[in-house]
Amino acid sequence: EPEVTQTPSHQVTQMGQEVILRCVPISNHLYFYWYRQILGQKVEFLVSFYNNEISEKSEIFDDQFSVERPDGSNFTLKIRSTKLEDSAMYFCASEGGLGNQPQHFGDGTRLSIL
Amino acid sequence: KNEVEQSPQNLTAQEGEFITINCSYSVGISALHWLQQHPGGGIVSLFMLSSGKKKHGRLIATINIQEKHSSLHITASHPRDSAVYICAVSQGAQKLVFGQGTRLTINP
Repeated sequence: EPEVTQTPSHQVTQMGQEVILRCVPISNHLYFYWYRQILGQKVEFLVSFYNNEISEKSEIFDDQFSVERPDGSNFTLKIRSTKLEDSAMYFCASEGGLGNQPQHFGDGTRLSIL
Repeated sequence: KNEVEQSPQNLTAQEGEFITINCSYSVGISALHWLQQHPGGGIVSLFMLSSGKKKHGRLIATINIQEKHSSLHITASHPRDSAVYICAVSQGAQKLVFGQGTRLTINP
């Protein structure tokens, strides 16, 4: 069964550094999402992406965050200048887009900011 | 107030017991999702439903739209069912709004 893949599984970065989290969604899916989960808290929506543009973003998704789908297969989340509070598990998800369908999640990237 | 509330937050049971996890929501939805989060962190979709009841193996999910309530049941629970079970809702625009999760531990 096709799956969403995320790399790396764990990223350790110094505060203030840029980080790029990568995702390869399921190939024929049309909607893409990033969520994050701070340790011990619930999963939170960051951003949704459709037709090569952001369709919705949360208050968390400020100017330090950006998303790209540079080559039709990868879907990336960039954090320009990381802060300690960016430490979290980041999940990518994709959905087919043909009516009500479940989202398929990657295994997540654990981001640790030192 | 959280838009999605789950109960209980933690549940410990013996192998073989019938398990029920509840979810209430306060907003209009297009669908309700039940997800399973493994100890390593990965998230798997179990059910997506907008009415009635769905069954997959030993798992059953029900939803009452009028009461804005859903339940996830596990029959003949097994230690491998130990995980965090998450209720989430979507509101047409596809993004998911998550509950805080229920940590289930099944002891042998």
